[in-house]
Amino acid sequence: LAKTTQPISMDSYEGQEVNITCSHNNIATNDYITWYQQFPSQGPRFIIQGYKTKVTNEVASLFIPADRKSSTLSLPRVSLSDTAVYYCLVGFNTDKLIFGTGTRLQVFP
Amino acid sequence: ETGVTQTPRHLVMGMTNKKSLKCEQHLGHNAMYWYKQSAKKPLELMFVYNFKEQTENNSVPSRFSPECPNSSHLFLHLHTLQPEDSALYLCASSREDRGFEDGYTFGSGTRLTVV
Repeated sequence: LAKTTQPISMDSYEGQEVNITCSHNNIATNDYITWYQQFPSQGPRFIIQGYKTKVTNEVASLFIPADRKSSTLSLPRVSLSDTAVYYCLVGFNTDKLIFGTGTRLQVFP
Repeated sequence: ETGVTQTPRHLVMGMTNKKSLKCEQHLGHNAMYWYKQSAKKPLELMFVYNFKEQTENNSVPSRFSPECPNSSHLFLHLHTLQPEDSALYLCASSREDRGFEDGYTFGSGTRLTVV
C-alpha cells in the first residue's frame, strides 16, 4: 500500500474554503485515492474518490495532478459541522483500508 | 443509520468479565472487518472476514475472539481484557472485491471501557 502524508491539523473559519493536501509519492498505476471523514465517536465515512484529474460531488472536490503523487481535498464554504478528522488513503480494490493519523480540521465560528 | 449496526454503543466491563460485541449489516456486503481506535491513535485493523472466512488477523491477542456466523453478522468476543484495551471498536463492511473502490461502510462503534 502506498504511504500517505498529510498535515496533522488545520484550522479554518466558517464560510471559508479548506484545502487538505495529501502526498503519496509511491502511488501505483492501479491505485485509487480515497478520502474519509470521521466525527468523534463515530466510524469513518467515505466522502470522495478519484483516479486522476478532478472529481466533484455534493460534499467535496478532489484534485489530482497529472503525476498523481499528491491530491487535494477541497471543502467549499465549511461550517462548524465539518469539524472532523479527514483521512487520505491510497490503494486498489482488494486492498484493506489502512488508516494513518489523518488531518484534524477545526472550524471556528 | 449507516447500514451497519453495532451493539452495544457503550460497554463497561471488569477485567474478569466475558462480553461480546455485535455487528450487523444488510447491505449485501460479503466482507466484514473489526477495527480498534484508541485515544489519539490511528484506526488499527484487527480482523478481516471474506464470505464468513477469516482472512486476516493482525497479531491480535487471543483475549479477542471474532466470530462470523454468516455474511451479515460479526461478533467480537471479549474475555480477561486489560485496561489498555479500552477503546472505540468499529465494525465495517464492504463488497469483498471492490472494498477500496466502492468504500467501506462503518458502524458507529462500541465505546469499551475496561475497569
